[in-house]
Amino acid sequence: EVQLLESGGGLVQPGGSLRLSCAAAGFTFSSYAMNWVRQAPGKGLEWVSAIVGHFTTYSGDSVKGRFTISRDNSKNTVYLQMNSLRAEDTAVYYCARSASMDVWGQGTTVTVSS
Amino acid sequence: DVVMTQSPLSLPVTLGQPASISCRSSQSLVHSDGNTYLNWFQQRPGQSPRRLIYKVSNRDSGVPDRFSGSGSGTDFTLKIGRVEAEDVGVYYCMQGTHWPRTFGQGTKVEIK
Repeated sequence: EVQLLESGGGLVQPGGSLRLSCAAAGFTFSSYAMNWVRQAPGKGLEWVSAIVGHFTTYSGDSVKGRFTISRDNSKNTVYLQMNSLRAEDTAVYYCARSASMDVWGQGTTVTVSS
Repeated sequence: DVVMTQSPLSLPVTLGQPASISCRSSQSLVHSDGNTYLNWFQQRPGQSPRRLIYKVSNRDSGVPDRFSGSGSGTDFTLKIGRVEAEDVGVYYCMQGTHWPRTFGQGTKVEIK
């Protein structure tokens, strides 16, 4: 069964860092682009970052220079390193498979607050 | 960035009646490869998003055939043939042609 399982969320102070992980199973992970998408409380979906192939990455303007997406194909895992966190980064973070986001995980919650 | 504009933002519907959601993009979504990367997602209350439609009109496996997508260029539509109780939730369009990827604001479908 194709599955994505996010982890690493939690409560962090403004200016702090957090690393999210998304473990994939049930498909050939290295063959797919991967995305991070977030949803602030009561709000819509916001695309955050994508990794295409092993090294090509894209990020939205709101996180550029602060968040870094990476992957480890040997571990079937994609990561989101989040630095200089702000209150407005508070959200549920989902990982999604492929350019067209055909499979989503259950999400992990990040709360940025003092 | 490509702006995706959905309408309406709220859609009360009667069970068994049809529903239609519009999604317009600020730029053409025709990719240089000839494909149009416009997807539709459903998010039921308390759940993760789920892809319903990809490349404008292709229904995902397991998606009921009462859901259909159409459109071209900058103008797209998601139709629900006859709304059922399980269709309650928020629907999003998303463009996958240009970077950064962008979503519409979401349309909340509820039963009257």
